[in-house]
Amino acid sequence: DIQMTQSPSSLSASLGDRVTITCQASQDITNHLNWYQQKPGQSPKLLIFDVSNLGPGVPPRFSGGGSGTDFTLSISNLRPEDLATYYCQQYDRVPITFGQGTRLAI
Amino acid sequence: EVQLLESGENFVQPGGSLRLSCVGSGFSFSRYALTWIRQSPGKGLEWLSSVSASGGTTVYADSETGRFSISRDNSKNTLYLEMKSLKVEDTAVYYCAKEDDDLLTGPFDYWGQGILVTVSS
Repeated sequence: DIQMTQSPSSLSASLGDRVTITCQASQDITNHLNWYQQKPGQSPKLLIFDVSNLGPGVPPRFSGGGSGTDFTLSISNLRPEDLATYYCQQYDRVPITFGQGTRLAI
Repeated sequence: EVQLLESGENFVQPGGSLRLSCVGSGFSFSRYALTWIRQSPGKGLEWLSSVSASGGTTVYADSETGRFSISRDNSKNTLYLEMKSLKVEDTAVYYCAKEDDDLLTGPFDYWGQGILVTVSS
């Protein structure tokens, strides 16, 4: 199975900050990488697909990058509603696997 | 508006069986692959199984092959997950999710609200 490792596991930032979360795959997954946001008590929401494409209704404050094994999710101009756990997910090989999550506190 | 609504029994004893359902609305149900994903209390996300738009192709996480069975009834806009020989560690919130295509890989563009299944004696 492809292991997805996110860092950091948690981070704290201030309103208006820019933060970056990294996701490393245990093998090359080309651009088969998505990001999801899960707010407390809610189901996950698609944030970014295929490394850098914004999901439905996602503001451009969110951006993604990377290729191969190393990927990033960046959030600029942090807002209170960005408090959530963020997960990366690979779909290069079955089984589909997720990172362990990064909890963002504001 | 796309909606996915899971339902089923919430509590089962170890060794028991359970069937979860997920009714979809607000989209062309028969055009998209569908998936079950679970989240154990306080833990991350675990992909379980996906089924193609027609229902003809299914894929499973290796750990659940044989115990879990995914299916769909496009005439009823409903996705199912049959689970048997349930263990305490199967306790989790179970989500159904829609893919934005029929590739059995995601991305999962819409998720249900989830249903908590507790396996306990």
